[in-house]
Amino acid sequence: NAGVTQTPKFRVLKTGQSMTLLCAQDMNHEYMYWYRQDPGMGLRLIHYSVGEGTTAKGEVPDGYNVSRLKKQNFLLGLESAAPSQTSVYFCASRALGQAVPQHFGDGTRLSIL
Amino acid sequence: DAKTTQPPSMDCAEGRAANLPCNHSTISGNEYVYWYRQIHSQGPQYIIHGLKNNETNEMASLIITEDRKSSTLILPHATLRDTAVYYCIVSNRDDKIIFGKGTRLHILP
Repeated sequence: NAGVTQTPKFRVLKTGQSMTLLCAQDMNHEYMYWYRQDPGMGLRLIHYSVGEGTTAKGEVPDGYNVSRLKKQNFLLGLESAAPSQTSVYFCASRALGQAVPQHFGDGTRLSIL
Repeated sequence: DAKTTQPPSMDCAEGRAANLPCNHSTISGNEYVYWYRQIHSQGPQYIIHGLKNNETNEMASLIITEDRKSSTLILPHATLRDTAVYYCIVSNRDDKIIFGKGTRLHILP
């Protein structure tokens, strides 16, 4: 099993460009999450999903959109990238019987110029 | 939400037990204590969690005081690969997992 896989691993964008980050999990988990981590900081929750077709806002949702069309995939979109969105993005998942995210991807390092 | 207080950094000699403290004096009755770690350039790794009782798994032990106002994560035989930032979190909701700055643990050869 691959666990949680994030694509791409690195990306550089120009201000105003759009892109989509993909998170895929092969563990049949119901819950999926997107976090961002800025230098010297802990992780902050952007959006999460409790199942296919459902999404909810986290602590810092502004400027991002998400979709969960398939249970195994959770997409994070930046419609018009801003330099403040330069960060490392982590996806996570958990099963129904687990209380908190227990499986994380290795991150996507995104730079907005 | 309860907040946690952790020392910013700690050192531990390789092969010794690493004891990482966490204060959570405002924890409420239904909040669990969770520990994660993050090795440089990797995603966080779940370690262990507990409510009241002490817990042990293949990675670590979690000791929670009787009043639940503090806890200690114990890595019984630290190795160089345990060098990481360790996060102590208290929560009763998966959308309220707040990662603070954690403790940067240095394992010394």
